[in-house]
Amino acid sequence: GDSVTQMEGPVTLSEEAFLTINCTYTATGYPSLFWYVQYPGEGLQLLLKATKADDKGSNKGFEATYRKETTSFHLEKGSVQVSDSAVYFCALRWGNQFYFGTGTSLTVIP
Amino acid sequence: GAVVSQHPSRVICKSGTSVKIECRSLDFQATTMFWYRQFPKQSLMLMATSNEGSKATYEQGVEKDKFLINHASLTLSTLTVTSAHPEDSSFYICSARGDGSYGNEQFFGPGTRLTVL
Repeated sequence: GDSVTQMEGPVTLSEEAFLTINCTYTATGYPSLFWYVQYPGEGLQLLLKATKADDKGSNKGFEATYRKETTSFHLEKGSVQVSDSAVYFCALRWGNQFYFGTGTSLTVIP
Repeated sequence: GAVVSQHPSRVICKSGTSVKIECRSLDFQATTMFWYRQFPKQSLMLMATSNEGSKATYEQGVEKDKFLINHASLTLSTLTVTSAHPEDSSFYICSARGDGSYGNEQFFGPGTRLTVL
């Protein structure tokens, strides 16, 4: 069945460091791909998305490219800030159904 | 973007009691809402899909008699955990699928932390 596998955390980085959180997926069709962010005590917020192969989603300095050949949607940011500390979830949507990865906790230290 | 609220944000109850959690779409109508459960340091697991005016569709392994879902209006869905037990303690998150100007995007609520003593 459809599933998402993402890099396990926790990840700790210094401010202004480069971030990569890996995400790969398994799907029978061509799903839409998402990254959600969850700040402490809050619900999920959509960070970015891509709906077809080679699309690049971007928001707040974060980017991810839908790679069909490697079934990946890795999240990157060139220079992280303390305010980026949160849990990041990779997800795919097929129809109405969402499949989430297990989440990667990111802590950015000053 | 669209806003989805949940109430209460936290609830503590005794074993054997029932707890109702509300999910509201504040500035859009949602014919479809979803209920997820999140265990500590784990991902979200879809429990059920509720459509306004009809019965909810439950995922395999989710007890429909224990987790009662009502989607009585286009802006409100409720999840009632009946006869709660400590193993029901979890973070419950709803999402609502936007209609009209929001396309079919899903918007998530802030979650409800349930603790059953």
